[in-house]
Amino acid sequence: DVKVTQSSRYLVKRTGEKVFLECVQDMDHENMFWYRQDPGLGLRLIYFSYDVKMKEKGDIPEGYSVSREKKERFSLILESASTNQTSMYLCASSLVRQHQPQHFGDGTRLSIL
Amino acid sequence: GNSVTQMEGPVTLSEEAFLTINCTYTATGYPSLFWYVQYPGEGLQLLLKATKADDKGSNKGFEATYRKETTSFHLEKGSVQVSDSAVYFCALSVSGGGADGLTFGKGTHLIIQP
Repeated sequence: DVKVTQSSRYLVKRTGEKVFLECVQDMDHENMFWYRQDPGLGLRLIYFSYDVKMKEKGDIPEGYSVSREKKERFSLILESASTNQTSMYLCASSLVRQHQPQHFGDGTRLSIL
Repeated sequence: GNSVTQMEGPVTLSEEAFLTINCTYTATGYPSLFWYVQYPGEGLQLLLKATKADDKGSNKGFEATYRKETTSFHLEKGSVQVSDSAVYFCALSVSGGGADGLTFGKGTHLIIQP
């Protein structure tokens, strides 16, 4: 089974802090994704990566950056955290072949105070 | 652009009732369609998928048929159980490989009462 592991289930940070969310997958998937999930808005794509050191903006990249130095690891960075970034963050990975589903981690619930 | 529309709920049913959760989509190109399920406190799990018109995806008693003429992918189950209580997301991928990310509906919260 594919395993996508997010480093923290719950995280509390302060406004203005630099925040790192880590995600690791163990199935040698080429694609990795970061989403945020908010009530009434569903899931929205922040960034994705299709290869090491490659990244593409999703629908809501503002205020975020990402890093993919190794194939198995994809980090989401909040450069200067703000209260409107309080949310559930979900990481996913997939193979690059056609029609492949994405596999999700359990999520990180981030609160910015 | 791409979009997915589904009923948000909550949808409340009694155990053993018939379930339908409607999902319609708009997409450029020919999308792959997915249903994901999220149990409380967990991430999303793939429930089923369909990759071309008239395909039927099925898993754990759930079914959905890719209807290109009505741009729909409704989720059905003949007899629901309390353990089916969860949030269900309909999603599409235009690239087919998910390389551009999934477009999700807002999710349908399903509550099954004993």
